[in-house]
Amino acid sequence: EAGVAQSPRYKIIEKRQSVAFWCNPISGHATLYWYQQILGQGPKLLIQFQNNGVVDDSQLPKDRFSAERLKGVDSTLKIQPAKLEDSAVYLCASSLRTANYNEQFFGPGTRLTVL
Amino acid sequence: DAKTTQPPSMDCAEGRAANLPCNHSTISGNEYVYWYRQIHSQGPQYIIHGLKNNETNEMASLIITEDRKSSTLILPHATLRDTAVYYCIVRAPNTGGFKTIFGAGTRLFVKA
Repeated sequence: EAGVAQSPRYKIIEKRQSVAFWCNPISGHATLYWYQQILGQGPKLLIQFQNNGVVDDSQLPKDRFSAERLKGVDSTLKIQPAKLEDSAVYLCASSLRTANYNEQFFGPGTRLTVL
Repeated sequence: DAKTTQPPSMDCAEGRAANLPCNHSTISGNEYVYWYRQIHSQGPQYIIHGLKNNETNEMASLIITEDRKSSTLILPHATLRDTAVYYCIVRAPNTGGFKTIFGAGTRLFVKA
């Protein structure tokens, strides 16, 4: 079974530029998550989708971050414009269902450096 | 804020059992305890979860106290490849799914 795919793996941009990350979840997984992980910290949930609907985006900085999951499969996360403090690893995860005991499968992440 | 408290780091000798504690004193009756680990430069990996009974799988054992306010993840025979950050998470249900809040985790160093 293929895992969660993310691209690109690394991205370097200058502040005020825009950037987009792509995630392809495990086939059949209805729930998709985007996390931000700053160096030395645990992952922080940015947004959670159930199929193509948003379940939780309470921690997404909506003035600069946006995410979509068209057709309930692939997802993109965009930052526009980027700030220095956005430097982090962006992790995508998916899970099969939202029952009590679902486990999340994580992709390898995209490491973003904002200069 | 994370609902769990873990020591920032621990050491373990290779071949010995690694016991990683987690405090979750405010856990609710319907919340599960999950453990994930993150090896350097990889995404987190699921290890085990439990509600109130002790659980065991091929990777680890999870011991939950009777009052459910704390738990211990046990790696019975730690290897160098078990060096990672271990996260203890309490799952809070929300509409359509579960909010997952990661803390800083415990950095486990397995030494030869």
